[in-house]
Amino acid sequence: AQKVTQAQTEISVVEKEDVTLDCVYETRDTTYYLFWYKQPPSGELVFLIRRNSFDEQNEISGRYSWNFQKSTSSFNFTITASQVVDSAVYFCALSEAQAGGSYIPTFGRGTSLIVHP
Amino acid sequence: DSGVTQTPKHLITATGQRVTLRCSPRSGDLSVYWYQQSLDQGLQFLIQYYNGEERAKGNILERFSAQQFPDLHSELNLSSLELGDSALYFCASSVGTSDEQFFGPGTRLTVL
Repeated sequence: AQKVTQAQTEISVVEKEDVTLDCVYETRDTTYYLFWYKQPPSGELVFLIRRNSFDEQNEISGRYSWNFQKSTSSFNFTITASQVVDSAVYFCALSEAQAGGSYIPTFGRGTSLIVHP
Repeated sequence: DSGVTQTPKHLITATGQRVTLRCSPRSGDLSVYWYQQSLDQGLQFLIQYYNGEERAKGNILERFSAQQFPDLHSELNLSSLELGDSALYFCASSVGTSDEQFFGPGTRLTVL
């Protein structure tokens, strides 16, 4: 079973629409971290947010917001009033402790967001 | 700009060859991670070094090896290259071993 599931392979919206990217994770650990990264067409991976498993507070950063719900093992990402520059592949990741003590992320397969003008 | 640098940006080589990819972490970061991104496998963790020592290992082939030097830069060596090794290779760095990772621009490897 996949540890991180991003069921939406591709989403297409028109500019100014709101869009939510879903992320469902699976872990037995009580301490873990969740991340979102953005990969624009240029290819680099841009860090967006890190959330630890003990902090279920939702977070808003400008047009971006994140909804973390442990009860449903979900960490969804919403872009409000989408813009063409938001077009990218978005990755959700789950970090769990490894044998050596490091937390190594497992990435979902990504959701490709296309925002049309 | 994440502050993580990777060279070269592109690399084209032939099967059976050996290449070295280089990464310099952000100033102050002690951890370096290597990832491979391909259409088939997605983004896969290869290996992590922390302050010069190997800390975690992922799906890294025996033909691949890495090291982190005293100045904290890291190199990923890929040998006996196969067509299937063609991918985007990312380096990332973080302060410790559980913090957010900042990624370099990647090295696109093409094996012909």
